[in-house]
Amino acid sequence: KNEVEQSPQNLTAQEGEFITINCSYSVGISALHWLQQHPGGGIVSLFMLSSGKKKHGRLIATINIQEKHSSLHITASHPRDSAVYICAVRGNYGGSQGNLIFGKGTKLSVKP
Amino acid sequence: EAQVTQNPRYLITVTGKKLTVTCSQNMNHEYMSWYRQDPGLGLRQIYYSMNVEVTDKGDVPEGYKVSRKEKRNFPLILESPSPNQTSLYFCASFRLRGNTEAFFGQGTRLTVV
Repeated sequence: KNEVEQSPQNLTAQEGEFITINCSYSVGISALHWLQQHPGGGIVSLFMLSSGKKKHGRLIATINIQEKHSSLHITASHPRDSAVYICAVRGNYGGSQGNLIFGKGTKLSVKP
Repeated sequence: EAQVTQNPRYLITVTGKKLTVTCSQNMNHEYMSWYRQDPGLGLRQIYYSMNVEVTDKGDVPEGYKVSRKEKRNFPLILESPSPNQTSLYFCASFRLRGNTEAFFGQGTRLTVV
């Protein structure tokens, strides 16, 4: 079983829709990162969370440490939001403290 | 501007010809790491470093070498590349103390023929 699970794997939405991507993890963490990767592009950090909720423009990220779950929400989605969204957790255990463990990513396509 | 710089962005090479992919960060981060990204497998860690002269294997280290002689640089070396090392490679860095943002390089698309 993967230590970081994302759902859904693929998501198609119409422009303007509210989108939610979920991430569950099974290890102790010090932080959780949401990353964005456009086709053929590099990886950009959207959020780093250790508790609660963060908002940046139309993007909102939440984390529930007790339930080991995080969500990324996109309000009023736009075709330029089409990308792969990757959840990564930073371990807080032993010698691998600091290492990132990645989910497989969620491929989002927003149609005009 | 805070950034991680990888070079080259694209590289096509032949089997067995040694190559180096460079990675440099300007944020004085202790932690640096290399990943490869393959379809269906996601990002997998190759090697990481927690400080100068301290490196350790990740999940898929076979066929790769790294060095950390200076804090800012963390080159990835393929001594004898093979076609199964064709992949998209990313370097990343972040500060070890405290929960801080991770920075990624632009990626290097390597093809070994």
